[in-house]
Amino acid sequence: KAGVTQTPRYLIKTRGQQVTLSCSPISGHRSVSWYQQTPGQGLQFLFEYFSETQRNKGNFPGRFSGRQFSNSRSEMNVSTLELGDSALYLCASRKGGDAGSYEQYFGPGTRLTVT
Amino acid sequence: GDSVTQMEGPVTLSEEAFLTINCTYTATGYPSLFWYVQYPGEGLQLLLKATKADDKGSNKGFEATYRKETTSFHLEKGSVQVSDSAVYFCALRGANNLFFGTGTRLTVIP
Repeated sequence: KAGVTQTPRYLIKTRGQQVTLSCSPISGHRSVSWYQQTPGQGLQFLFEYFSETQRNKGNFPGRFSGRQFSNSRSEMNVSTLELGDSALYLCASRKGGDAGSYEQYFGPGTRLTVT
Repeated sequence: GDSVTQMEGPVTLSEEAFLTINCTYTATGYPSLFWYVQYPGEGLQLLLKATKADDKGSNKGFEATYRKETTSFHLEKGSVQVSDSAVYFCALRGANNLFFGTGTRLTVIP
């Protein structure tokens, strides 16, 4: 079974631009979550989507947004990029629903550098 | 609120040494607990989990026991290998997401 895939793997943007990152979950998984990883703040939760609906959102400004499509693929968008947005963005998928252990499977991440 | 406190790193060990990485948590109730590992340039991989108190998770020689009395989930391995060099994250299940510790970098030298 294929794992979580993320594209692109690396991205360089300049301040003020916007960026869209893509995530394809494991087949059969309906929930996709996004995390930001930085050396200073560690792993921070951005948002979770389930069946095309955002179920929960972390403490990030409105410049960070996302969506999920009917095939469970998800995109996240960051507008008006700032230097502090440079990070590894990780996508994680799980089967969904609230039952069970909440086991999430992570993709390799997209390394975003803002100059 | 929910949180995870993880042993500060980095940790450097010789091959075949015993490993312990401490993890304690604060949460309401008894959430599922996880250890994830991140190898250089990669995303996080689930290493092991425990879903209820007194459960022991194990995988690839690593073990961790869910201790509700001490609110801990320490990671142990009896004999580390160079290939275990990575960053290890302790995590707990929140209402709708995982809460991660800060990560502990392990380097194993031959």
